[in-house]
Amino acid sequence: GAVVSQHPSRVICKSGTSVKIECRSLDFQATTMFWYRQFPKQSLMLMATSNEGSKATYEQGVEKDKFLINHASLTLSTLTVTSAHPEDSSFYICSARYLEPYNEQFFGPGTRLTVL
Amino acid sequence: GQNIDQPTEMTATEGAIVQINCTYQTSGFNGLFWYQQHAGEAPTFLSYNVLDGLEEKGRFSSFLSRSKGYSYLLLKELQMKDSASYLCAVVDSNYQLIWGAGTKLIIKP
Repeated sequence: GAVVSQHPSRVICKSGTSVKIECRSLDFQATTMFWYRQFPKQSLMLMATSNEGSKATYEQGVEKDKFLINHASLTLSTLTVTSAHPEDSSFYICSARYLEPYNEQFFGPGTRLTVL
Repeated sequence: GQNIDQPTEMTATEGAIVQINCTYQTSGFNGLFWYQQHAGEAPTFLSYNVLDGLEEKGRFSSFLSRSKGYSYLLLKELQMKDSASYLCAVVDSNYQLIWGAGTKLIIKP
């Protein structure tokens, strides 16, 4: 099946620093990738849809200047959390849309971000 | 608006059968997914339904009724490792995934 990797798996940073998270589709090309955030005991919350070669589409309430998304190639999308604060601590998960056979999303393993 | 409803939490006994329901109201319908998510991990694909009826895959089955806006995930011969959250997600007319809040399934010995 389609494989999506995410790096790093865990990151701890100081408040005010920026953190970059990479999402790669390893064995397929993904024109569309998605970034989710999940707080403890809550469901996935879609942050943005990332389309290769164009600007990301952000969900309502998500600050595009704080969560920078770059989808520079068909296999790589990055999420940069700028000037991170403790309230940004969360589990960030990316997924890539694989068209066949079900147009489903394959998820990366997630990145646990802790901002001190 | 778009809405996916599923129970917040369910408890079942090891070896038993459990049915997790999902009802939806969305702008268009292009399929329904069930995902499993263990604590601290990303979701993994379980099933996909786009036509009415039952899809069986081993211990797991998924049912869809488009006219009723209803689906269920049936888990048989429950094992302790089945303790997880189960997420229902519908593909709308724009081919976007609309997610339910998930059902936390607790398996007791």
